[in-house]
Amino acid sequence: GNSVTQMEGPVTLSEEAFLTINCTYTATGYPSLFWYVQYPGEGLQLLLKATKADDKGSNKGFEATYRKETTSFHLEKGSVQVSDSAVYFCALSDAGRRALTFGSGTRLQVQP
Amino acid sequence: EAQVTQNPRYLITVTGKKLTVTCSQNMNHEYMSWYRQDPGLGLRQIYYSMNVEVTDKGDVPEGYKVSRKEKRNFPLILESPSPNQTSLYFCASSLAFSGTGGPPLHFGNGTRLTVT
Repeated sequence: GNSVTQMEGPVTLSEEAFLTINCTYTATGYPSLFWYVQYPGEGLQLLLKATKADDKGSNKGFEATYRKETTSFHLEKGSVQVSDSAVYFCALSDAGRRALTFGSGTRLQVQP
Repeated sequence: EAQVTQNPRYLITVTGKKLTVTCSQNMNHEYMSWYRQDPGLGLRQIYYSMNVEVTDKGDVPEGYKVSRKEKRNFPLILESPSPNQTSLYFCASSLAFSGTGGPPLHFGNGTRLTVT
C-alpha cells in the first residue's frame, strides 16, 4: 500500500536558518503530494501541494518539488522564523481510499 | 467564519462508557472524514463520508461508528471505548475528495480523548 516517510524530529534551528524536512513516498500510480502544518492546539492546515511530477508547490516562503525519480517531496524554507515552529506533515492523496496518507510528522522548533 | 467545529476539546472517560464526539462544518462540504493522530504514526483515517447517508470505513474503523444524517454533521461514536482508543481525534471536511489534489481538507481543532 501507499506510505509516506518523514525525517524524525524535533528539528531545532535558530531564526533565519535554512530549513529542509525530508519526505519520501511509496505509491502506485501518480498521487498528489501535500505538506500540512499543525500549530499548537490547532488542526492541520494545508501549506502547499503539487499534483504532478516536477511541479513546485510554494506558500509563505516554503517550497517543495515533486520528484518522481526519487519519490521525494522535501520541504524547504530559506529563512525560518520563530512563528514557523509547528509540526509539519507530508501526505499523499489516495483516490481509491478517499483518504490522505500522512507521514508521522516532524516537529520544528525555531529559537530566537 | 468558515470552520469545522469539534466538541468536546478534551474528554476523559472510563472503559465501556459510550461516548459521542460531534463534528459540524458550515461550508456546505460534501466530504467529511475522521482521523486519529498517535505519536509516531501520523494521522490515520477512521471513517469517511462522501455525502449524506454515504459512509465507508477507513484504515482503522474497529470500535467506531459514524453517521451522516445531515450534510453539516458527522458524529463519531464509540459504543464501548477501550484504553487503546486514547488518542487525538480530528474531523476534516472538503467540498469534494479528489485524488488529484482538489479542494483542500479543512480540519477541526481536535478532541483529545483519554480512556482509563
